[in-house]
Amino acid sequence: DIQMTQSPSSLSASVGDRVTITCQANQDIRHFLNWYQQKPGQAPKLLLYDASNLKTGVPSRFSGSGSGTDFIFTISSLQPEDIATYYCQQYHNLPPTFGPGTKVDIK
Amino acid sequence: QDQLVQSGAEVKKPGASVKVSCKASGYTFMNYGINWVRQAPGQGLEWMAWISVYNGNTKYAQKVQGRVTVTTDTSTSTAYMELRSLRSDDTAIYYCARDRRSQDDGPFDAFDIWGQGTMVTVSS
Repeated sequence: DIQMTQSPSSLSASVGDRVTITCQANQDIRHFLNWYQQKPGQAPKLLLYDASNLKTGVPSRFSGSGSGTDFIFTISSLQPEDIATYYCQQYHNLPPTFGPGTKVDIK
Repeated sequence: QDQLVQSGAEVKKPGASVKVSCKASGYTFMNYGINWVRQAPGQGLEWMAWISVYNGNTKYAQKVQGRVTVTTDTSTSTAYMELRSLRSDDTAIYYCARDRRSQDDGPFDAFDIWGQGTMVTVSS
């Protein structure tokens, strides 16, 4: 199975801050990477697919980049409603695998 | 509005089986595959299975293969996940999630629409 790692595991930032999360795969997954947001007590929600494509309706402050083994997820200006855990997920190989998550909260 | 609505919470004893349903609405059910993903309490996300609603092809995670079966009923636009020989470490929230694209290759896609989740507790 492809192993996904994320860093940091948690972060605390102020409203308006730029937040960056990294996701790394242990082998080349090309651009086959998605990002999800999960708020407490809720199901995950797809934010970005194929590394950098924003799902329709998702605010433009969310963005993603990268290919191969290294990927970056960015919130350009953190908002109170962005408090959540963020997961990356690869689908280059079976089984699809998720990163361990990055918990984001407000300082 | 595309939506998946799952059945309610279940409490089962070790060794029993559970069958979770996932009813789709707002889109053409046959056009998209359905995945099952679980999340143990306080833990991350684990993909379990995928089914093509169009042709019934399935893919399973090795960890649960042999204990899990996913099916669909196109007459009611409902997908099902049955997990047998339950163990305490199967205690989790089980989610169904739809593929983003209409394709039948397997779970090679983003999980676009999610059900609300079904809590399955395995306890003696």
